[in-house]
Amino acid sequence: EVQLVESGGGLVQPGRSLRLSCATSGFTFSDSDVHWVRQAPGKGLEWVSGISWNSGNIGYADSVKGRFTISRDNAENSLYLQMNSLRAEDTAVYYCAKEGSRYYLDVWGKGTTVIVSS
Amino acid sequence: EIVLTQSPATLSLSPGERATLSCRASQSVSSYLAWYQHKPGQAPRLLIYDASNRATGIPPRFSGSGSGTDFTLTISSLEPEDFAVYYCQQRSSWPLLTFGGGTKVEIK
Repeated sequence: EVQLVESGGGLVQPGRSLRLSCATSGFTFSDSDVHWVRQAPGKGLEWVSGISWNSGNIGYADSVKGRFTISRDNAENSLYLQMNSLRAEDTAVYYCAKEGSRYYLDVWGKGTTVIVSS
Repeated sequence: EIVLTQSPATLSLSPGERATLSCRASQSVSSYLAWYQHKPGQAPRLLIYDASNRATGIPPRFSGSGSGTDFTLTISSLEPEDFAVYYCQQRSSWPLLTFGGGTKVEIK
């Protein structure tokens, strides 16, 4: 069974940092492009960042560019999101998701909640 | 940046009725568009990819159409489990993805 399990969320003060992890299993992670998507309270889905299978292509939403860094460890089958200079508007449920053979997000984790508040 | 605009924001319908959801792109995305269903507390679910192809396990009452800038998701006859929020998403500018603002399909 394909699984993605996010962790690392929590309550953090504005300006501080947090690192999210996504542990994967059940598929060949090293062959897969993966992404982070978030949903703020009462809002829709927002794509945050994506990384290709070999880390050769990386993209960020304008809202997080320069503050967030995506990375992966293919040996550990894991995806990461380093979030620095956190703001209240970064409060959201963060999902990791993998691309399928047709390049869309075919399997998602259940999410981890980040709350940025003093 | 490609912007996706979904309409209507909310659709109030009864089970058995037909739902028609729209997604408009600010510039052409060819057929690189997907639709997802999202229910509270659950992970989003891929329904349609490349504008008109059903994902694995998706029932035939879900269909997608369109290309370029105008796309439609149709649910031919709403089942109780179909009441949810639906999002379109483009991958034309990969690795930069974009989601639409969503359409909530609620029970009338």
